[in-house]
Amino acid sequence: DAKTTQPNSMESNEEEPVHLPCNHSTISGTDYIHWYRQLPSQGPEYVIHGLTSNVNNRMASLAIAEDRKSSTLILHRATLRDAAVYYCILRPLAQKLVFGQGTRLTINP
Amino acid sequence: KAGVTQTPRYLIKTRGQQVTLSCSPISGHRSVSWYQQTPGQGLQFLFEYFSETQRNKGNFPGRFSGRQFSNSRSEMNVSTLELGDSALYLCASSLALTGDSQETQYFGPGTRLLVL
Repeated sequence: DAKTTQPNSMESNEEEPVHLPCNHSTISGTDYIHWYRQLPSQGPEYVIHGLTSNVNNRMASLAIAEDRKSSTLILHRATLRDAAVYYCILRPLAQKLVFGQGTRLTINP
Repeated sequence: KAGVTQTPRYLIKTRGQQVTLSCSPISGHRSVSWYQQTPGQGLQFLFEYFSETQRNKGNFPGRFSGRQFSNSRSEMNVSTLELGDSALYLCASSLALTGDSQETQYFGPGTRLLVL
């Protein structure tokens, strides 16, 4: 299973942008980059995914490095409800999700 | 559309017993995956079912088993429970129309199992 490296924890302030980094130096050409988050006492929820190009949706943006060895999840304006553990996952075609330890994001009011 | 539902939400068992957990996927979803989450090991993949067949399996002992019914509902069973089986068991469903890795998995709230 391809590996990702994320900081154990990050802290940010409400209404400020948050950039969550993820390193995946062993990524292969067919690995998609997925982000899920897990709010307290809930199951994980999908955030965003991409392959090569940057992606935007209503929740976040995903910036993928040109060599695809790293990516950054961007929350444009954090709210208290964004406090969660964020998982960066490499997912080969038709394969299972393999979760790492994730980044615990704390949002200060 | 209703989300993924799991029953029961909480369960207490003793060592040596067996337990069956149930998962109802989102209507129309054909794939169901199971995960175990513990503070020490994090989220670990157990198995995935598609069209009543196990499609992927994680590194868990044979005491952990599962099945999927024709209506896509799934059950997982753990026999001869050990203290270390105490965990949050999460079920996730996806459409699985093409096996495309872009398919989103939708997770249920989980069943919290405590083994005494």
